[in-house]
Amino acid sequence: DTGVSQNPRHKITKRGQNVTFRCDPISEHNRLYWYRQTLGQGPEFLTYFQNEAQLEKSRLLSDRFSAERPKGSFSTLEIQRTEQGDSAMYLCASSAELQGQGMNTEAFFGQGTRLTVV
Amino acid sequence: RKEVEQDPGPFNVPEGATVAFNCTYSNSASQSFFWYRQDCRKEPKLLMSVYSSGNEDGRFTAQLNRASQYISLLIRDSKLSDSATYLCVVRGNTGFQKLVFGTGTRLLVSP
Repeated sequence: DTGVSQNPRHKITKRGQNVTFRCDPISEHNRLYWYRQTLGQGPEFLTYFQNEAQLEKSRLLSDRFSAERPKGSFSTLEIQRTEQGDSAMYLCASSAELQGQGMNTEAFFGQGTRLTVV
Repeated sequence: RKEVEQDPGPFNVPEGATVAFNCTYSNSASQSFFWYRQDCRKEPKLLMSVYSSGNEDGRFTAQLNRASQYISLLIRDSKLSDSATYLCVVRGNTGFQKLVFGTGTRLLVSP
C-alpha cells in the first residue's frame, strides 16, 4: 500500500498520560499535515511541514502538543498530559509541492488515529 | 466568522434526485478549492478539485464563483452510495497554504 499510513489506528489512554502517533506520508510527497477531527465537525488544522521544516502551527495547538518530521519523511505527533478534551480522530495528510509553479497537488489522508482519553 | 462555511444538513433526498451544496469562504486570496467526501468513521477522500471554469466528473459538477466567494457541488441522479459527508476545502496562495475545511454537509439518499 503506497498511501498515507498512520499508527496506531486506535489509542485509549488515561488522563495525564503522554501519547505519540506516527504518520508515514506518500513517499514522494514533501508536505505533511496534521488535523484533528471531532464528531460532527470538519478536520481542524493543527500543523504542517514542508520537508523537515514545521511551517505553521495552529493556535489550537497548546504547549502540550508537539510535532516533528526529523528527516522529512515520517512525522510524529506527541500529546503530553492528555486531557479528556483531546479525545478525537487525529488525521495526517500529505501532498506534493510542484517546485516553481506556485501550486500543489491535492492532499491525501491516512485512516487516522482515534484517541480516547478516559 | 469561520474561514469556510457550509450548511451541515442533513440533506435527505430520494434516489435519482438532484442535490446541490454551497460553501462560502472568507479569504479572497484563496486559490485552490476542493470537495472531499467522508464516509462515517473514515478518512476524507478527494472527490474533485474545483477550477475557475467549473468542472464536471460524471454525475458531479463543481462551480466556483470568485466574486461572491462561494463554491458549489451538484450531484445528479443521486445513488444510495452517495450518502456521505461532503467537505468543502480551501487553500490560500500566500503564506503557507494550509488546507482549511468546512464542517461538512451530510447527505442521506434514501430508496
